[in-house]
Amino acid sequence: ETGVTQTPRHLVMGMTNKKSLKCEQHLGHNAMYWYKQSAKKPLELMFVYNFKEQTENNSVPSRFSPECPNSSHLFLHLHTLQPEDSALYLCASSQAVFQGTNEKLFFGSGTQLSVL
Amino acid sequence: DQQVKQNSPSLSVQEGRISILNCDYTNSMFDYFLWYKKYPAEGPTFLISISSIKDKNEDGRFTVFLNKSAKHLSLHIVPSQPGDSAVYFCAASGQSGGGADGLTFGKGTHLIIQP
Repeated sequence: ETGVTQTPRHLVMGMTNKKSLKCEQHLGHNAMYWYKQSAKKPLELMFVYNFKEQTENNSVPSRFSPECPNSSHLFLHLHTLQPEDSALYLCASSQAVFQGTNEKLFFGSGTQLSVL
Repeated sequence: DQQVKQNSPSLSVQEGRISILNCDYTNSMFDYFLWYKKYPAEGPTFLISISSIKDKNEDGRFTVFLNKSAKHLSLHIVPSQPGDSAVYFCAASGQSGGGADGLTFGKGTHLIIQP
């Protein structure tokens, strides 16, 4: 049990589908994040939520829509994705919003997404 | 342009020897650096960190060195063990004056420990 749980672990979807990724953290943290890891690229920050409020949207296309109903749950709603959106989507949490020293991110296992 | 660079995609080291993973960064505002370790089908897990006010931090078999003038850090693992085989990500963060920037990651180095 890592403390951050993501479902589903694997997802295959067509370009016209709508699906959602779910993340839940059991660590009592206040900040949650979505990261994207594409093949041969660094982890890219997508969204940041602090106390349920979105504080960062890293120029992510609108076909990705995050939702944070409370500090423990984070969703990523997907619609009309492109094949190049195929990647590993990682959720993470931290005690406070990550602004540097002594803060750590705790990651889930990720959802491996394939868009056909 | 990548702000955190790990120029070695993979590294093979014999069990019992020292593993040295390198990381370079370009943003002089970074003041906190972390190493994460990732096994297949799992998320990254925190390994060790260092603040820019230090040049070395040690935790058991793991030591991170920071050379601020060269904008370079390295992770030393000694002695290397088979369970150390994983992908290692270097990450950095800086005080940017407000907002949550999360972490900036490198592409990772796949460390393979040979028996």
